[in-house]
Amino acid sequence: GENVEQHPSTLSVQEGDSAVIKCTYSDSASNYFPWYKQELGKGPQLIIDIRSNVGEKKDQRIAVTLNKTAKHFSLHITETQPEDSAVYFCAAMNTGFQKLVFGTGTRLLVSP
Amino acid sequence: NAGVTQTPKFQVLKTGQSMTLQCAQDMNHEYMSWYRQDPGMGLRLIHYSVGAGITDQGEVPNGYNVSRSTTEDFPLRLLSAAPSQTSVYFCASRPQGSDTIYFGEGSWLTVV
Repeated sequence: GENVEQHPSTLSVQEGDSAVIKCTYSDSASNYFPWYKQELGKGPQLIIDIRSNVGEKKDQRIAVTLNKTAKHFSLHITETQPEDSAVYFCAAMNTGFQKLVFGTGTRLLVSP
Repeated sequence: NAGVTQTPKFQVLKTGQSMTLQCAQDMNHEYMSWYRQDPGMGLRLIHYSVGAGITDQGEVPNGYNVSRSTTEDFPLRLLSAAPSQTSVYFCASRPQGSDTIYFGEGSWLTVV
């Protein structure tokens, strides 16, 4: 089955800096890669996703890149703000099987 | 439109007790699922359903039962609670034709 590894487990940055979180996956058949943000006491919320036919996707300060050959994908947050502080999860799925497998999460702390 | 609603929010059980975590969605989503979240382990799929009357096992199904008698509801039953089932449980749903999964707010379960 699919296995997703996520690094780092914690990341501290200063406000305005960029943050990068990296994930690798094992199943080459996975074709959908979402990123979720989880605030304290809340459920995960989708912030951006990418499919295997695309190499990069941007949404304002957030971008995701995918390298299918190396089987890794990354989340990039630019101009970080204190409200970006949360736990971020990457995930991978083969849309033919509909089982979303999550990474172990990255706790991002943005200091003012 | 309430989205995905989970009850109860918090629950303490004694070892060996049974209980049901309720999940309801008002978005007419075909796909529903249950995840558990443990420190350092991300979210792991327990059971899922692709429609009323259809359920299947996820990554960690042992000790849990589910049923899907209606499109709206997907209860998770703990048959005989064990301390290892202390966790945060998230219900999620997804509309047909979309890969975007929407999570509930979570249910915190402690088994003593």
